[in-house]
Amino acid sequence: QKEVEQNSGPLSVPEGAIASLNCTYSDRVSQSFFWYRQYSGKSPELIMSIYSNGDKEDGRFTAQLNKASQYVSLLIRDSQPSDSATYLCAVPAYNTDKLIFGTGTRLQVFP
Amino acid sequence: GAGVSQSPSNKVTEKGKDVELRCDPISGHTALYWYRQSLGQGLEFLIYFQGNSAPDKSGLPSDRFSAERTGGSVSTLTIQRTQQEDSAVYLCASSLGSASNQPQHFGDGTRLSIL
Repeated sequence: QKEVEQNSGPLSVPEGAIASLNCTYSDRVSQSFFWYRQYSGKSPELIMSIYSNGDKEDGRFTAQLNKASQYVSLLIRDSQPSDSATYLCAVPAYNTDKLIFGTGTRLQVFP
Repeated sequence: GAGVSQSPSNKVTEKGKDVELRCDPISGHTALYWYRQSLGQGLEFLIYFQGNSAPDKSGLPSDRFSAERTGGSVSTLTIQRTQQEDSAVYLCASSLGSASNQPQHFGDGTRLSIL
């Protein structure tokens, strides 16, 4: 099993819908989880950090963490075409100071 | 405040030449990371610096790659005798502390093209 797994997509949703992006990880002791957005030809941009079980909301974004099931998800409400990008999940590697990045899920929001 | 700054933004060079890529992290960030991203691919970890500790070089793909970080701030990634497979975007990131609880912030990257 890969350390961090994401569905590569593309995930296509209509404008205004909720986009749901999922990420599973293998290290049970991970304490921090990060979501990055990467537009084509650009560098990754941090959009959410989550450290505790449950939901964390920031504007149209909600991160959900379930440590028992080892998954973290990102919900984007009222999706806009400008949300079209690749979303990367990142989890610290076991016993190191490195982040392991998933390969990303490509999201397409169509008008 | 200023973000992570990388230079040059683009570099085109001939196979066999050496290249140097520069990264200036966010002020006060003790951790600095280099990644490589080939077209359409994920992030490939290269090397990590944390404060005055010995760097984690476990991701460097060959001995043609090296990096240093002077004075705990600016870092330079050097690729010697470049090959066409070195063509990629090289990304630098910095964080306030350990990746276990601090997010990384990325620069805009250097797009390296080897002819």
